[in-house]
Amino acid sequence: DAKTTQPTSMDCAEGRAANLPCNHSTISGNEYVYWYRQIHSQGPQYIIHGLKNNETNEMASLIITEDRKSSTLILPHATLRDTAVYYCIVSVTYAGNNRKLIWGLGTSLAVNP
Amino acid sequence: DADVTQTPRNRITKTGKRIMLECSQTKGHDRMYWYRQDPGLGLRLIYYSFDVKDINKGEISDGYSVSRQAQAKFSLSLESAIPNQTALYFCATSDRGAGETQYFGPGTRLLVL
Repeated sequence: DAKTTQPTSMDCAEGRAANLPCNHSTISGNEYVYWYRQIHSQGPQYIIHGLKNNETNEMASLIITEDRKSSTLILPHATLRDTAVYYCIVSVTYAGNNRKLIWGLGTSLAVNP
Repeated sequence: DADVTQTPRNRITKTGKRIMLECSQTKGHDRMYWYRQDPGLGLRLIYYSFDVKDINKGEISDGYSVSRQAQAKFSLSLESAIPNQTALYFCATSDRGAGETQYFGPGTRLLVL
């Protein structure tokens, strides 16, 4: 089972910031939070990941709470092309140091004109 | 050119037929993965390979087999296709040092009649 919970769907106005929440209350100390998105049945696309500190790249920002039990993905200026399903994933450790992704159902973000 | 390619992109087959889905990558990554995606179930891992001599079962490997012909090629076979294998199939790759940052192909849409 996925270790994360996300809202099923969200709306955002074009040009505004989109803030996508994720709860991961059972995350372990060495597990990362990953965000991917999938646009209309295309292959999922990596967005960003983090462990403890907030992270920013050219696509988005990731804000992780101090207790690491939740995080927020921020798309600073959403465009219509950001309409997609966004997946928040906590990797699962197995067989020593190996990790794998357990995918949930994600949040369907609709960016409206 | 795309870094991760999948062939065919669409396939219709009949119950009992053997089919092969192929994946090639030019990213130079050691690790390759096969997922399937069904409506309402998210992505599920079928098989993964950490290098040419390493093949591992994922969470839903029954009815599937794989072959890692080279670092760049990873094929998925359905020995005797059945209708509940109708799904969207994705290949992904990752680098050895960043296992959860995966890069996905465009997907193969398979329909088993």
